Amino acid sequence: DADVTQTPRNRITKTGKRIMLECSQTKGHDRMYWYRQDPGLGLRLIYYSFDVKDINKGEISDGYSVSRQAQAKFSLSLESAIPNQTALYFCATSGGQGSYTFGSGTRLTVV
Amino acid sequence: AQSVTQLDSQVPVFEEAPVELRCNYSSSVSVYLFWYVQYPNQGLQLLLKYLSGSTLVKGINGFEAEFNKSQTSFHLRKPSVHISDTAEYFCAVSTPGTASKLTFGTGTRLQVTL
Repeated sequence: DADVTQTPRNRITKTGKRIMLECSQTKGHDRMYWYRQDPGLGLRLIYYSFDVKDINKGEISDGYSVSRQAQAKFSLSLESAIPNQTALYFCATSGGQGSYTFGSGTRLTVV
Repeated sequence: AQSVTQLDSQVPVFEEAPVELRCNYSSSVSVYLFWYVQYPNQGLQLLLKYLSGSTLVKGINGFEAEFNKSQTSFHLRKPSVHISDTAEYFCAVSTPGTASKLTFGTGTRLQVTL
């Protein structure tokens, strides 16, 4: 099994729908992150969490929310999806000392 | 705050030629530096990273990078590229400590042709 698992791998949803992207990890890391990737823009940080009780906004948090259900689980929600949220989403974890582990990504299309 | 600038959005190169992908960073504190590669329709793969010590870092697939603190750069090099190196390359920076976040550049598309 992968160290960082993202579900679903691909999702097509309609404008206005609520959608949740899930991330689970077996690394035992406290720090977890959500990024989105857009062509020409690289990866940008949406939200991050340094432990279960700590949630922080990244550079592009508008339109998103997160939940840290446990050390191993960090979910990203789009309350009302819009087409410009179409992107590739990555979850990552870190145990510190410059060690980061990425999931395989979720490709989200909002139509 | 930290930031990363990748100066070239696309780099075309012929097979077996050398290549350099440029990366400059900005940070008020010490940094960790990374290069990731993303092959078409795949996730991110770590090529190499600099945490401390020797400024010349060797990575996978024959790539290497040199940390230059005075020029705030971390350029990626390969002496002879292969068709299979065609991919998107991302430079990233983070800082030591418990509040670390990884900040990415906008990426460089390396296109290797015959």
